[in-house]
Amino acid sequence: EVQLVESGGGLVQPGGSLKISCAASGFTFNNYEMNWVRQAPGKGLEWVSYISSSGNTVFYAGSVKGRFTISRDNAKNSVYLQMNSLRAEDTAVYYCARRTYYYDSRGHGVGGYFDYWGQGTQVTVSS
Amino acid sequence: DIQMTQSPSSVSASVGDRVTITCRASQGVTNWLAWYQQMPGKAPKLLIYAASGLQSGVPSRFSGSGSGTDFTLTISSLQPEDSATYFCQQANTFPYTFGQGTKLEI
Repeated sequence: EVQLVESGGGLVQPGGSLKISCAASGFTFNNYEMNWVRQAPGKGLEWVSYISSSGNTVFYAGSVKGRFTISRDNAKNSVYLQMNSLRAEDTAVYYCARRTYYYDSRGHGVGGYFDYWGQGTQVTVSS
Repeated sequence: DIQMTQSPSSVSASVGDRVTITCRASQGVTNWLAWYQQMPGKAPKLLIYAASGLQSGVPSRFSGSGSGTDFTLTISSLQPEDSATYFCQQANTFPYTFGQGTKLEI
């Protein structure tokens, strides 16, 4: 059974730092790309960051670029998000999500989608 | 960034009704679009990939269509457990972007 379990969330002051983790099990972790997606209280979903299966390619949302760093340890089946210079607007539930690439019946690629999600970890930025 | 706009923002319907939610992209995303269902306090769940592909385990009353900039999610015969918020998401270009969500009340 595929499982993604986030941890490390908590209360942090504005300008502070926090590192959250996502432990994966039930699949071959180093074959999959991983992402972080967040959801502010009462709001919609916002994609935050992507990391390739090898860790060599990363992408960030403009709102976090230069402040957040995504990484992974394939030996530990884990993905991380280091968050620096935190702001009140970073307050959200942070989900890790596995990205799986899908193919149609003819074998043509039809994109990568978030097929498994963790339960989320709450990050609150407040003084 | 590609903007995703869903309508309506909320909808109320009855068991057995047919409901359609629309999603429009600010620029073409071919058919690289997903639909997710989110129950209160829970993580999102993938329903539809590539605009019309039904994710394994998802009931067949859910269907998706569209390409380019205009997409729809249809629930053919509403069940009480379909009460949730639904999000579209484009997977064509980073940064991936989501619609603002449609809250469905049964």
